[in-house]
This record gives sequence, structure tokens and C-alpha cells, in this order.
Amino acid sequence: EAQVTQNPRYLITVTGKKLTVTCSQNMNHEYMSWYRQDPGLGLRQIYYSMNVEVTDKGDVPEGYKVSRKEKRNFPLILESPSPNQTSLYFCASSWGRHRTQYFGPGTRLTVL
Amino acid sequence: EDKVVQSPLSLVVHEGDTVTLNCSYEVTNFRSLLWYKQEKKAPTFLFMLTSSGIEKKSGRLSSILDKKELFSILNITATQTGDSAVYLCALSGCQYGNKLVFGAGTILRVKS
Repeated sequence: EAQVTQNPRYLITVTGKKLTVTCSQNMNHEYMSWYRQDPGLGLRQIYYSMNVEVTDKGDVPEGYKVSRKEKRNFPLILESPSPNQTSLYFCASSWGRHRTQYFGPGTRLTVL
Repeated sequence: EDKVVQSPLSLVVHEGDTVTLNCSYEVTNFRSLLWYKQEKKAPTFLFMLTSSGIEKKSGRLSSILDKKELFSILNITATQTGDSAVYLCALSGCQYGNKLVFGAGTILRVKS
């Protein structure tokens, strides 16, 4: 089954404790992206990747890191999480940047 | 700076009503405009529009793009309670580089 998976689905953590949210797709998509969704602000792009070893900042990259060592995986790293990073996070992938995005199920992160 | 503006922010209708959701944008050079439906989970794809004036239809939903007036509409006829969701529009294209930019969404609630 073609899908985008994210783990964990829910995470509660404390300020400053490094965490990683994994994202994996099995559709051989080149373009992968991370978004955060906050009430009234819609989806905002954090980082995206055009292909392996090619990543770039979206609109809200501060406080986040990503890597793309393999085509299928695109982890999101929070080196020192802060409460303002409490949000709902979505990973998405597509054949290209202008194509339909397939979204993962979301990760609800709470930073205390 | 709002690049993609959706209206209304929220609306409540009764089953059987027809609704029109709006997405306006400020740029003139982009590749595609996409509509997504988001229930209490990840966004799911509805339409991708690239050409002005060509309506796309899927059952009771239809959408059209007006590149001259810089907006798109999403129509839902004979609404059902299952249409209750957040509807998101997004732009991708040259002016935004490789980013995707989403609007804040329209919350639709259909009452029985």
C-alpha cells in the first residue's frame, strides 16, 4: 500500500530534550516536505527536499533540522525543543514540487 | 504578508445547501493551485488546477481557476454532513521557488 508514515504519532516532551520525528514513504517520491499546522495559520512549510542530499528551508525553518540520506526517509530533528514548537506536524511527499502531495498521518507534539 | 488568502474563515450550512469557498493569491506566476480536504487527520487531495477557466469536477465538488483575477473557487453542491472539514488551498510555482504555500483554510460545518 502506497503511504507516508510518521513516528511517533503523539509525543510529549520537555524543553531542551532533543527529539526526532521520522518520516518514510514507499512511493519512490523525489520531493519530501515537513509542515507544521497551528490554529488560524494553516500549514506552514518547515523544510523540503528535492532529492537525496538536497534540502532547503521553507517558511519557518528556525529550530528545526532535516536530513535526506535516503530517498524514502526524511527525519525532522528538534535539537532543543521549545514550547513554541508545540504543534501538529505533517510530512508529505510527491513526485515533484508541483505535484499532488501525499500526507502522513501527522505527529502531535507538545513541548512542556 | 498573506500570500494565499482563503475566505470565508468558517461557515455553517444545512445539508443540501450549496457552498462556494474562495482562494485568492497575490502572485501571477505559478505552476499549480491545489485544493485539499482535511478532516480530523491528514489533508487529502481534491484538485490540482494549472489552467485558467477549465473546471474540474469530482462528484458534487468542482473547482475552477481564474488566473486573470487571481483566485480559485471550490464549489460543493447538495452538501452532506460528511463534507464537514477544513478546506485548504495551496500554491506551488516559480515565484515561490520550490516551496508550497498554503492558505489558512476554510472551516466548513454541515448541519443535518
